[in-house]
Amino acid sequence: GAVVSQHPSRVICKSGTSVKIECRSLDFQATTMFWYRQFPKKSLMLMATSNEGSKATYEQGVEKDKFLINHASLTLSTLTVTSAHPEDSSFYICSARPQGASGGYTFGSGTRLTVV
Amino acid sequence: DQQVKQNSPSLSVQEGRISILNCDYTNSMFDYFLWYKKYPAEGPTFLISISSIKDKNEDGRFTVFLNKSAKHLSLHIVPSQPGDSAVYFCAASAGQAGTALIFGKGTTLSVSS
Repeated sequence: GAVVSQHPSRVICKSGTSVKIECRSLDFQATTMFWYRQFPKKSLMLMATSNEGSKATYEQGVEKDKFLINHASLTLSTLTVTSAHPEDSSFYICSARPQGASGGYTFGSGTRLTVV
Repeated sequence: DQQVKQNSPSLSVQEGRISILNCDYTNSMFDYFLWYKKYPAEGPTFLISISSIKDKNEDGRFTVFLNKSAKHLSLHIVPSQPGDSAVYFCAASAGQAGTALIFGKGTTLSVSS
């Protein structure tokens, strides 16, 4: 089946530094990928839609300059949390839907970001 | 405003009995609905989906029912097993594959043996 690989699974960084999270579609091409954020005991909140070769579409309330998204190829999207602060600590998950898939969207395994 | 609502944050069921998880939505443009199972610190795992042209879809122990007039769907798990214990998310999308999923807040299912 379709697989989305997300890396790293866990990262701890200092306040003020930047962290890059990668999302790769391993056996299919994804012109669109989605980035979600999950707070403890909360739903998965859509942050942005990543479009290959063009600018990402951000949801209301998500800072574009803080959460930089790059989708340079059909199999890779990256989310960079810039100048991270403790309130950015969260669980970030990417997703894509293979073309013609009868099943649902495929999700990465998530990245636990802790900013200290 | 929550477009996908799971009003029961938790559900406890005995092994072998039926688990019924409910979900309501407000956006009439939604035409594709999915259920995901999720463990802490992991990505969601797809369970079952249903398109708006159907009112029922079954896959093994899992059945999803869709009532479009009520904007309501439910996931039935029969028989429930302890391994089913997890958080279940209802999700919906409108349009083609380029549209993101909108999730409910999830229901934590606990199946006791």
